[in-house]
Amino acid sequence: EVQLVESGGGLVKPGGSLRLSCAASGLTFSDAWMSWVRQAPGKGLEWVGRIKRKTDGGTTDYAAAVTGRFTISRDDSKNTLYLQMNSLETEDTGVYFCATEGHSYGHHSFDIWGQGTMVTVSA
Amino acid sequence: QSALTQPASVSGSPGQSITISCTGTSSDVGGYNYVSWYQQHPGKAPKLMIYAVSNRPSGVSNRFSGSKSGNTASLTISGLQAEDEADYYCTSYTFSGRVVFGGGTDVTVL
Repeated sequence: EVQLVESGGGLVKPGGSLRLSCAASGLTFSDAWMSWVRQAPGKGLEWVGRIKRKTDGGTTDYAAAVTGRFTISRDDSKNTLYLQMNSLETEDTGVYFCATEGHSYGHHSFDIWGQGTMVTVSA
Repeated sequence: QSALTQPASVSGSPGQSITISCTGTSSDVGGYNYVSWYQQHPGKAPKLMIYAVSNRPSGVSNRFSGSKSGNTASLTISGLQAEDEADYYCTSYTFSGRVVFGGGTDVTVL
């Protein structure tokens, strides 16, 4: 069974840092483009950023709202995706999902999702 | 990159058809055939319903269909059922290489 499991969420003060993890199983993780998507409480979905597979350069792209503060990385030997979040703001509060991008169904579609991990930024 | 524009809510009776629009620009929806649609029930992760404008993943009911004309994509749900009550989001690839979501549409089955 293909599965993504996020972890690392929690409560952090404004200006603080947090690192989220996304453990993948049941798929060839090294072949997958991976994205992070977030959802503020009661709000819609927002793309955070992606990391391509190494054979496509392993490069990253970020939404404007997080550029310079968030960093996405991957460890293919551990089948794990990471999201390092620095200089956190209250607006960063929400559920963070990891998802494969174009793994099974076409480019730039998010076809496998984790269950999400909650991040709360509050004093 | 601004969010794609979706109606806040759409409703229909069981058995009816409804259509949700997703309007962008020539830099996203109009410029690429990389529009996807997602269904999200409360407290759950989103589920891919349509990819590449009009393609259904395996296991998704053929009551769901997608299309695009110019800068506007559409999701049609035919034979509306109670289980279709959920939030629906569109996405598009953009000229900058980023992905942008629509604001979401709350579908109510009357």
